[in-house]
Amino acid sequence: EAGVVQSPRYKIIEKKQPVAFWCNPISGHNTLYWYLQNLGQGPELLIRYENEEAVDDSQLPKDRFSAERLKGVDSTLKIQPAELGDSAVYLCASSSWGGREQYFGPGTRLTVT
Amino acid sequence: AQRVTQPEKLLSVFKGAPVELKCNYSYSGSPELFWYVQYSRQRLQLLLRHISRESIKGFTADLNKGETSFHLKKPFAQEEDSAMYYCALSERSGGYQKVTFGTGTKLQVIP
Repeated sequence: EAGVVQSPRYKIIEKKQPVAFWCNPISGHNTLYWYLQNLGQGPELLIRYENEEAVDDSQLPKDRFSAERLKGVDSTLKIQPAELGDSAVYLCASSSWGGREQYFGPGTRLTVT
Repeated sequence: AQRVTQPEKLLSVFKGAPVELKCNYSYSGSPELFWYVQYSRQRLQLLLRHISRESIKGFTADLNKGETSFHLKKPFAQEEDSAMYYCALSERSGGYQKVTFGTGTKLQVIP
């Protein structure tokens, strides 16, 4: 099993440009999470999906961030426009319904210059 | 609101020495706690959970509700234990599980 897949692994963009990250969870996992991880910090939840429904997006900065999981499988996280402070690692994770354990992807390291 | 505190950013120990990575939490309900680990160039992965009361790679963690702690321990550190360790607390919120991670502790095992 491939595990959670994320792409790209690295992205460098100039500020004010848009950027998108893609995540494919483990097959059969209903719950999908997007986390932000700043240097020296733990993962911080941005949004959580149960199938295609965003059940917790309270920490998502909605003025510039958006996410979708249209068919309840893979998901895209977008930032438009990116700011210097958005430089971080963006992690995707998934879990089965009611599952406590989260399986993480390798992350996308974003650098905004 | 739930909160997880890992007071040490870095913990250095010699090979063969005992290890204790500290984790304290604040939560009014019945907590469910985990330790996640991230080895160099690898993804974050679950190490152990308190409800399983298991020992993984020689590590154990006991939930102490009186002290609101969930410290991770290993009697004899090995070089391959060097990694980032994150304590996490899960609560049931709105019918779903919400997880809060600590800031992490880097364990460095000196040969």
